[in-house]
Amino acid sequence: AQSVTQLGSHVSVSEGALVLLRCNYSSSVPPYLFWYVQYPNQGLQLLLKYTSAATLVKGINGFEAEFKKSETSFHLTKPSAHMSDAAEYFCAVSGGSNYKLTFGKGTLLTVNP
Amino acid sequence: IAGITQAPTSQILAAGRRMTLRCTQDMRHNAMYWYRQDLGLGLRLIHYSNTAGTTGKGEVPDGYSVSRANTDDFPLTLASAVPSQTSVYFCASSPQGLAGQETQYFGPGTRLLVL
Repeated sequence: AQSVTQLGSHVSVSEGALVLLRCNYSSSVPPYLFWYVQYPNQGLQLLLKYTSAATLVKGINGFEAEFKKSETSFHLTKPSAHMSDAAEYFCAVSGGSNYKLTFGKGTLLTVNP
Repeated sequence: IAGITQAPTSQILAAGRRMTLRCTQDMRHNAMYWYRQDLGLGLRLIHYSNTAGTTGKGEVPDGYSVSRANTDDFPLTLASAVPSQTSVYFCASSPQGLAGQETQYFGPGTRLLVL
């Protein structure tokens, strides 16, 4: 069984501020972890993923996430927010040969000028 | 390359009516998926297909059916729509479908309102 908890359904930051979106997972097997982004009225697209190689994963648009097994976390960060980062962000987990993705409930990021 | 296309973009449907949501991919991916997205619930898997000719049930399959006659198409049918099926529906695909580390690629979605 696997699950994802995203802490905070809505995060608001100022432009230029640090972005931190939290994700904790539960998995009975070594997990694969993903962050997807959804811009308004669009489908989801992959930001980055962890597949058991480097624990610090760099993605598109300056985002990165660090896999911490001891904390069962995979938090998403970006040093400096841009207005174009405003979107909904989903953390997801799959495990081993199980290709089914389990999504968190999402975190809506707003960026204030 | 279009990726994944979905039709219609949006639809208003009377309860009790039958409706098929279309999904086509041009990436020759083996695996395809249908999700529904509801506010506060994230995305939930409805049905999936590992390869043409095979389908399986996801987390919320009741009231929905799928078929996979070929690699490219994966239609989702609501046999008799109910208001609780009001949602945004996303189709997705991945290259092999058997490896958990694969990226899934999503279509633009279909917004369905059942009255």
